[in-house]
Amino acid sequence: EVQLVESGGGLVQPGRSLKLSCAASGFTFSNYYMAWVRQAPKKGLEWVATISTSGSRTYYPDSVKGRFTISRDNAKSSLYLQMNSLKSEDTATYYCARAGIYSSHFDYWGQGVMVTVSS
Amino acid sequence: DIVMTQGALPNPVPSGESASITCQSSKSLLHSNGKTYLNWYLQRPGQSPQLLIYWMSTRASGVSDRFSGSGSGTDFTLKISSVEAEDVGVYYCQQFLEYPRTFGGGTKLELK
Repeated sequence: EVQLVESGGGLVQPGRSLKLSCAASGFTFSNYYMAWVRQAPKKGLEWVATISTSGSRTYYPDSVKGRFTISRDNAKSSLYLQMNSLKSEDTATYYCARAGIYSSHFDYWGQGVMVTVSS
Repeated sequence: DIVMTQGALPNPVPSGESASITCQSSKSLLHSNGKTYLNWYLQRPGQSPQLLIYWMSTRASGVSDRFSGSGSGTDFTLKISSVEAEDVGVYYCQQFLEYPRTFGGGTKLELK
């Protein structure tokens, strides 16, 4: 059974940093692109970052580019999101998601982890 | 960026009736490989999103055949036949053709 379990969320002050983790199991992690998607309270879904199977390629929207860094450790079947210079608008539930084998959709999602940026 | 625009539903939908959710993209999602990179997700209350449809019309594993996807390069429809209580939630379309990946704003389905 595919499982994605996020951790590392919490309350953080504006301008500070936070690192999220996602532990994957039930599939060969190194064969799949992985991503982070967030959802602000009562709002819709926003794609945050994607990383290739080897980690050599990463992709971000302009809203987080230069502040967030996605990475992975295939030996540990783990995905990470380093978030720097956090802003109040980064407050959201962050989901770890697996991109399907054809990398055309997100076929599995974690339960999400809440990040609150506030002083 | 490709903008995804979703239509609203005339809520609430009577149980057993069909419902159609529309989505429009600002650019054709038809890839040169012949596939259309449009996905549909359902987020039930208090849950994570789940994949329903990919490549515009391919049902994800385990998804009821009451869900069907159709469309052209820029206009898409998710049809739910015989709506049930478990279908309640917010439906999102998403394009996977280009970065940044973008979602529609969501369409809420409520049951009567």
